[in-house]
Amino acid sequence: QKEVEQNSGPLSVPEGAIASLNCTYSDRGSQSFFWYRQYSGKSPELIMFIYSNGDKEDGRFTAQLNKASQYVSLLIRDSQPSDSATYLCAVMPKSNDYKLSFGAGTTVTVRA
Amino acid sequence: EAQVTQNPRYLITVTGKKLTVTCSQNMNHEYMSWYRQDPGLGLRQIYYSMNVEVTDKGDVPEGYKVSRKEKRNFPLILESPSPNQTSLYFCASSWVGAGNSPLHFGNGTRLTVT
Repeated sequence: QKEVEQNSGPLSVPEGAIASLNCTYSDRGSQSFFWYRQYSGKSPELIMFIYSNGDKEDGRFTAQLNKASQYVSLLIRDSQPSDSATYLCAVMPKSNDYKLSFGAGTTVTVRA
Repeated sequence: EAQVTQNPRYLITVTGKKLTVTCSQNMNHEYMSWYRQDPGLGLRQIYYSMNVEVTDKGDVPEGYKVSRKEKRNFPLILESPSPNQTSLYFCASSWVGAGNSPLHFGNGTRLTVT
């Protein structure tokens, strides 16, 4: 079982719609959760992090964490063509502050 | 400008010819790490360093070496490259551990081993 799993997509949404991305993880004791965005041919960049159960909002992005069910999600509201990218879920396991496990990423395409 | 600089951006080499990919950061970050990215597998950690002279293995360390003699530099060494090391490599740094502060990534090095 992979440590972090994501639907590979591609996920295609019309402009203005909500894009919903899901991520599950295997280490029940995981403490920190991150979403990185990677444009084609570019390096990843952090867009959201969440540590506690519940929702965290930042502009058009909302991260949702449910530790009991071991999943974290990212919602992109009012999707724009500039949101077209691959979104990487990353999880820090309980045992190691220096290790970050990434999912394979979900590719999102926003149709104008 | 705060950045992580990797060199070279592209590298084509032959099996067995030793190579080094350099990584340098100008943000005084303590933590540095190397990842490889392959289609369908995502980013996998190769090695990381918590501070000068302190390194540890990630998930896929076989065939790689690293050193951290200075805080700003963290080179990745392939002593005897093989075709299965063909990949996109990223160096990253952060203030403290990757789970506690944002990772800043370099622009990547695309390596092809024939």
